[in-house]
Amino acid sequence: GQSLEQPSEVTAVEGAIVQINCTYQTSGFYGLSWYQQHDGGAPTFLSYNALDGLEETGRFSSFLSRSDSYGYLLLQELQMKDSASYFCAVPGAGSYQLTFGKGTKLSVIP
Amino acid sequence: NAGVTQTPKFQVLKTGQSMTLQCAQDMNHEYMSWYRQDPGMGLRLIHYSVGAGITDQGEVPNGYNVSRSTTEDFPLRLLSAAPSQTSVYFCASRSDTNYGYTFGSGTRLTVV
Repeated sequence: GQSLEQPSEVTAVEGAIVQINCTYQTSGFYGLSWYQQHDGGAPTFLSYNALDGLEETGRFSSFLSRSDSYGYLLLQELQMKDSASYFCAVPGAGSYQLTFGKGTKLSVIP
Repeated sequence: NAGVTQTPKFQVLKTGQSMTLQCAQDMNHEYMSWYRQDPGMGLRLIHYSVGAGITDQGEVPNGYNVSRSTTEDFPLRLLSAAPSQTSVYFCASRSDTNYGYTFGSGTRLTVV
């Protein structure tokens, strides 16, 4: 089976940097994905890491350490619109079954 | 492109009724999935498909059926609705060359 752990809530100040951690246990590892979901909306894909290291996409970066079964999403220059839930997810065998963590609700405050 | 289209957006069912949640994508994606989302539970996989005519069960398949007769459509059928199936249902698709799933806007189902 597969399981993922991430904090349930994080609060950060507008303009600051926040890191959302994710640890996982999988029977086979094919990569770590991150999704963003605003209240009442649909999840949207942010990033995918298959190899160790940092991937940067604008204000968002995602990091993976396969030896530690750990990854994080880094959000810089936080904006109010970044208030949302963030989910880490791992694909299963064949890479088409996604298992999601329970999500981290990020609140950005002025 | 419309992306992934789900209908209806809202539905109220009585216990024991059946219904079909529709999902269609116009991106020629091979992989399609159905998820349900409950408060505090994240998204849980119900059924998935890797191509027309090929479907398989996910984590929580009981009470649901799927079929994939075309690449575009992946309907989810509730056979006999139960209050435990009250949830938000998302359909998602992706191609075999891109690891990011595109999600539909969801169907909010209440079973009374």
